[in-house]
Amino acid sequence: GAVVSQHPSRVICKSGTSVKIECRSLDFQATTMFWYRQFPKQSLMLMATSNEGSKATYEQGVEKDKFLINHASLTLSTLTVTSAHPEDSSFYICSASREFQPQHFGDGTRLSIL
Amino acid sequence: DAKTTQPTSMDCAEGRAANLPCNHSTISGNEYVYWYRQIHSQGPQYIIHGLKNNETNEMASLIITEDRKSSTLILPHATLRDTAVYYCIVRVSGANNLFFGTGTRLTVIP
Repeated sequence: GAVVSQHPSRVICKSGTSVKIECRSLDFQATTMFWYRQFPKQSLMLMATSNEGSKATYEQGVEKDKFLINHASLTLSTLTVTSAHPEDSSFYICSASREFQPQHFGDGTRLSIL
Repeated sequence: DAKTTQPTSMDCAEGRAANLPCNHSTISGNEYVYWYRQIHSQGPQYIIHGLKNNETNEMASLIITEDRKSSTLILPHATLRDTAVYYCIVRVSGANNLFFGTGTRLTVIP
C-alpha cells in the first residue's frame, strides 16, 4: 500500500523556537497533502490543505503565519511551527493523496513545547 | 458532506467477527463511504471504501445497505491488534480533505 513518511516522530523543545516537520510520500506522487492536529482524547482536526507549487489553504482559526506550510514537490510537504509555545503542543499528522485515491497518513509527530 | 453517526464504543471477543455500524442517512449519490482506523499514538490507517456495492479486501469487508443510508464494517476475525478507533467518513472523493468525527472505539478482548 501507499507509504507516507513523517519526520521527526517526536520533538521536545523550548518555548519560542521554531520546529519543522517533514511529510514525504515515498511511493507515489501526491497532488495534495493535508496537515491535521490532534489534541489528547480528541479527534483529528484539519489545519490546512496544500497543493504542489501553490499556497496552502488554511482552515478557519488556523494562523497561516504561525503554521507555515511549504509543498515544494509532489513528494514533500513541510509544516513549520514558528515561535512555538506550550499551547502548540499537540500531535501533528500529515496525509497525502492523488486524484481519486484515498488519503494515506503518516505516523504523526508529537510536539512538546516546554 | 453528509454527516455520519457511529456508536461511541464497542467490545469484541478475540477471534470473533467485529461489526461496526455507521449511519449516513443524508448521503448524496456521488459520495463514497470511507473507513479509517487509528491505533493509539499513530496516524490513521486506510481500511476500505465503497460507493454502493459491497467491498472486500485483505483487511475487512464493507456492507452498504441498498438505500445507502447506513453501512457496516466487518473485521472477520478480530485480533488484539485491531483495538483502535474506527472512523466512518462520507466524502465525494477520498483525495479531498477528510472530516473526522468521534469514531467508534473498538476494544478486542482476549
